[in-house]
Amino acid sequence: EVQLVESGGVVVPPGGSLRLSCAASGFTFRSYTMHWVRQAPGKGLEWVSLISWDGGSIYYGDSVKGRFTVSRDNSRNSLYLEMKSLRTEDTAFYYCAKGREGITGTIPDHWGQGTLVTVSS
Amino acid sequence: SYELTQPPSVSVSPGQTARITCSGDALPKKYASWYQQKSGQAPLLVIYEDNRRPSGIPERFSGSSSGPMATLTITGAQVEDEADYYCYSPDSSDHLWVFGGGTKLTV
Repeated sequence: EVQLVESGGVVVPPGGSLRLSCAASGFTFRSYTMHWVRQAPGKGLEWVSLISWDGGSIYYGDSVKGRFTVSRDNSRNSLYLEMKSLRTEDTAFYYCAKGREGITGTIPDHWGQGTLVTVSS
Repeated sequence: SYELTQPPSVSVSPGQTARITCSGDALPKKYASWYQQKSGQAPLLVIYEDNRRPSGIPERFSGSSSGPMATLTITGAQVEDEADYYCYSPDSSDHLWVFGGGTKLTV
């Protein structure tokens, strides 16, 4: 069974930094594209970033480009999101998601339960 | 930036057919996927590549696409289908992926 467990969400002041982690199990992590998606409380989904199986392809949403950095450690079955220059509008639940197999890896098909990041003074 | 547009809400009676639309300039050339999100839960993929259903998704869920519009159809909607539904697709560059604003389905 695919399991994705996010961690690292806390309250952080505007301008601060934070690193989220996602521990994966139940599938061959090193073979799949992975995503970060966020959802502000009571709002819709927003795609944040994806990283290919080997880290060779990385893309970001416009609102986080230049501030967030995605990475992965295939030896630890872990996905990370480094967040800098945080803004109040970055407050959201952050979901880690596994991509479908092969060329459909750009489509998330299994999601974690999310970790809440609150940017507030 | 790229946007996908959905109606904020759709309402049907149990057993009726619910149709949720998603419009975007790149949809004539890009596949759409659809997610169901029930209150307090993580999203669930119900349709990908316009009209393909993942294993375990009921047959009453189907998808189609024509020109700049993709449509999720729930034939014989059930009370348990009440949820928020989001479309998802890339822009023309294939370097940016976007969710629609979401549609609240009331059954």
